[in-house]
Amino acid sequence: AQSVAQPEDQVNVAEGNPLTVKCTYSVSGNPYLFWYVQYPNRGLQFLLKYITGDNLVKGSYGFEAEFNKSQTSFHLKKPSALVSDSALYFCAVRDFSQAGTALIFGKGTTLSVSS
Amino acid sequence: DTAVSQTPKYLVTQMGNDKSIKCEQNLGHDTMYWYKQDSKKFLKIMFSYNNKELIINETVPNRFSPKSPDKAHLNLHINSLELGDSAVYFCASSQDSDIYGYTFGSGTRLTVV
Repeated sequence: AQSVAQPEDQVNVAEGNPLTVKCTYSVSGNPYLFWYVQYPNRGLQFLLKYITGDNLVKGSYGFEAEFNKSQTSFHLKKPSALVSDSALYFCAVRDFSQAGTALIFGKGTTLSVSS
Repeated sequence: DTAVSQTPKYLVTQMGNDKSIKCEQNLGHDTMYWYKQDSKKFLKIMFSYNNKELIINETVPNRFSPKSPDKAHLNLHINSLELGDSAVYFCASSQDSDIYGYTFGSGTRLTVV
C-alpha cells in the first residue's frame, strides 16, 4: 500500500534561516509526490509536485523540494523562512498506475517561524 | 469564482440528527472526493467519485452516504450523527490526467453536541 511519513510533528525555525520539512514515501510503481500547505481555518493549497524529471522541483512562495529515489524521500525546503510561512504542511503521494486512486496524505508537520 | 465550494462552512447539530454537506466544483474536473480531517489534523480519504460513479469507498460507517447528481456536485449525507463525527470535512476535485493534484474546498467544520 502506498503511504507517506512525516517524522516530525513540529519544526521550529527562526526567520531568515533555512527550513526543511521531511517526508519519506512508500509506493509501488512510479511515485507522484505533492506538498500542500494549510493555513488556520483554511483548505489545503497546492505548493509543488514531483512527477518526473529534475529531482529538485520549485513551487509556490519560494519553496522547493528534492526528490531522492534511493532514500525514498521528498523533503520540502526553503532557503530563508518567513514568519508568514508558519502553517501546517502535508506531504502526499498518488499512484497513477492504479486507476481511481486518491491522494494519500502524511500526518502533517506544523512549521513555526519565529521573528 | 470559487473553484470548489462547500456549504455550510460551519455546522453544529445534536447527536442523532441527519445532516448534509454540499460540494460543487466549477473546474470541469471529472473526479471528486471527500476527506475527513480529525482533531489531530490527520486527513483521511472517505469517498471518491469519477463521473458520478463511486470509485473509492474507504472504511467509513454506513451512516455516511455520498451522492453525486452530476459530475460537478458531490454531497455528503450523514445519518444518526455521533460525537465522533465531529471533524472538518473537505471536498476536493481533480482531473485524472491532471498532475497538479487536487483543488480543495475550504472545509466544513462539523460539531456534534
